[in-house]
Amino acid sequence: AQRVTQPEKLLSVFKGAPVELKCNYSYSGSPELFWYVQYSRQRLQLLLRHISRESIKGFTADLNKGETSFHLKKPFAQEEDSAMYYCALSGRTGFQKLVFGTGTRLLVSP
Amino acid sequence: GAVVSQHPSRVICKSGTSVKIECRSLDFQATTMFWYRQFPKQSLMLMATSNEGSKATYEQGVEKDKFLINHASLTLSTLTVTSAHPEDSSFYICSASELAGGTYNEQFFGPGTRLTVL
Repeated sequence: AQRVTQPEKLLSVFKGAPVELKCNYSYSGSPELFWYVQYSRQRLQLLLRHISRESIKGFTADLNKGETSFHLKKPFAQEEDSAMYYCALSGRTGFQKLVFGTGTRLLVSP
Repeated sequence: GAVVSQHPSRVICKSGTSVKIECRSLDFQATTMFWYRQFPKQSLMLMATSNEGSKATYEQGVEKDKFLINHASLTLSTLTVTSAHPEDSSFYICSASELAGGTYNEQFFGPGTRLTVL
């Protein structure tokens, strides 16, 4: 069965501290992994996808197939990074049928 | 990015009535629209996938007759919650995507609709 696990409901850090939001997945094939972000009072939006291998707003995420993980990292957190972050997977190429984790709220304090 | 709107943003209805929620892609043609449901402090759960001009594909456990989905045009999909009951109270979110070259482009999400059934 497809499953995405985000073990932390809340992650609270100080500005400038490193951030790592954990995501583990369960899927029998080769999934595509995504991170979505929802800022306060805004809609869900794509942050990054693993096949792009790019850094968005200083965030990166590496797919580790051995550990079935796709953790989101940023070396120096900013206050504007405070938001809800969802990890998601798709079983096919592209964005069809996304399975979401329960989300982690990141709170960056000054 | 592309814009997806939902209407209404919030609706309160009496038990037994039906409620229609609209999802529109404002600046692109949405080959496919997805409907999600989100309970408080829980994840988004896909309810159904709606392709323009064809019947929606429902996820396991989602009642087709309860949640009627229509995708009559490339810019509009509707979700009708029929004979709503308090347990249907939830946050309903749609997303829209364009199928191009055999793959789905990014899903753009609507702002969601908060349904409260009294």
